[in-house]
Amino acid sequence: GDSVTQMEGPVTLSEEAFLTINCTYTATGYPSLFWYVQYPGEGLQLLLKATKADDKGSNKGFEATYRKETTSFHLEKGSVQVSDSAVYFCALSGLTGGGNKLTFGTGTQLKVEL
Amino acid sequence: DAGVTQSPTHLIKTRGQQVTLRCSPKSGHDTVSWYQQALGQGPQFIFQYYEEEERQRGNFPDRFSGHQFPNYSSELNVNALLLGDSALYLCASSLVGTNTGELFFGEGSRLTVL
Repeated sequence: GDSVTQMEGPVTLSEEAFLTINCTYTATGYPSLFWYVQYPGEGLQLLLKATKADDKGSNKGFEATYRKETTSFHLEKGSVQVSDSAVYFCALSGLTGGGNKLTFGTGTQLKVEL
Repeated sequence: DAGVTQSPTHLIKTRGQQVTLRCSPKSGHDTVSWYQQALGQGPQFIFQYYEEEERQRGNFPDRFSGHQFPNYSSELNVNALLLGDSALYLCASSLVGTNTGELFFGEGSRLTVL
């Protein structure tokens, strides 16, 4: 079945550091890929998405590129801020589930310090 | 614009009891999905409701059941509670036909089973 593997946290960075959170997936066909973020005390919210190979999703300075050849969707940001501290989830929407049935990774907690 | 609201926010039950969790979707949305998020894990899909019927179901036993009302709000019921049912239960809403994978999540109901 579909699965998502993402790097374990917590990841602790200094402000303005470069961020990479790795995500790889297993799925049949060509799933849509997502990054969701959970800020403290808030619900999950969509950060960015990509629906086909080589697509780049971007939002709030974050980027991720759908790499079919490596089945990856790594999240990157060039300069993190304290306000980026949150838990980040990689997810996919496979062929059988449609857009509402998401398969999530275990999440990566990011802590950004001054 | 009200987002997804869930109640109660926290509750404690004992093994064997039954619990009902409630969700009101974001204004304008007609589809509700439920997810279970165990501590340190990513959310897992339980089921989805549209037009008052269960449309998709994840790998959860029949002890987990749900309902959707004409106003699109939804309930999740869990019977014969087990210790392993302790988790954060997330409700997500969307609009049928969009199939974009962009779900709007509530903050969740944290269930503790003793």
